[in-house]
Amino acid sequence: DGGITQSPKYLFRKEGQNVTLSCEQNLNHDAMYWYRQDPGQGLRLIYYSQIVNDFQKGDIAEGYSVSREKKESFPLTVTSAQKNPTAFYLCASSPRGASGEKLFFGSGTQLSVL
Amino acid sequence: AQSVTQLDSQVPVFEEAPVELRCNYSSSVSVYLFWYVQYPNQGLQLLLKYLSGSTLVKGINGFEAEFNKSQTSFHLRKPSVHISDTAEYFCAVSTSGAGSYQLTFGKGTKLSVIP
Repeated sequence: DGGITQSPKYLFRKEGQNVTLSCEQNLNHDAMYWYRQDPGQGLRLIYYSQIVNDFQKGDIAEGYSVSREKKESFPLTVTSAQKNPTAFYLCASSPRGASGEKLFFGSGTQLSVL
Repeated sequence: AQSVTQLDSQVPVFEEAPVELRCNYSSSVSVYLFWYVQYPNQGLQLLLKYLSGSTLVKGINGFEAEFNKSQTSFHLRKPSVHISDTAEYFCAVSTSGAGSYQLTFGKGTKLSVIP
């Protein structure tokens, strides 16, 4: 079955540590996205990539980094510069240029600080 | 730039009663409108969309929404809710022709269905 796989489901970060969240899709979508979700705040776009080897900052990119070396993979690194990383992180993908009706989401990763 | 306001953060409703979740948007250009549903610890799933044409759109699970351009609203309705409808609902907007990266989400409305 086609879909988006995020791992791990739960992740804990120590102070000063970088952690990487995995996102893999087998939908053959060109575009991939990372969102951060905080309770009562909706979804905010961190980074997006419309094609391999290219990505752009979203609304809240500070303290995060990404790479897009393969079409199916878009890992997100939460760096030690992100002072408030506790949140639910959602990865999504879509065909390039598609509007929201073709946006598919993974099941998310809950990141917490120890 | 566009924005989305979901007027209620939480809506409790008894099982089999009707429900309306309110969404207002602002944009200076034509928009596409969406409702997504999120079950606990899950990603978002598209419930319904308005791109053009009929202003009354029907989605999955018996939900429908009406686009009202003059009131800049896109309220979500269901005539009779079930326990399984308990979830968080997000309204989202993008400008016509924009890519998914230009979606703006509301802050969400938690629907709690009471047995």
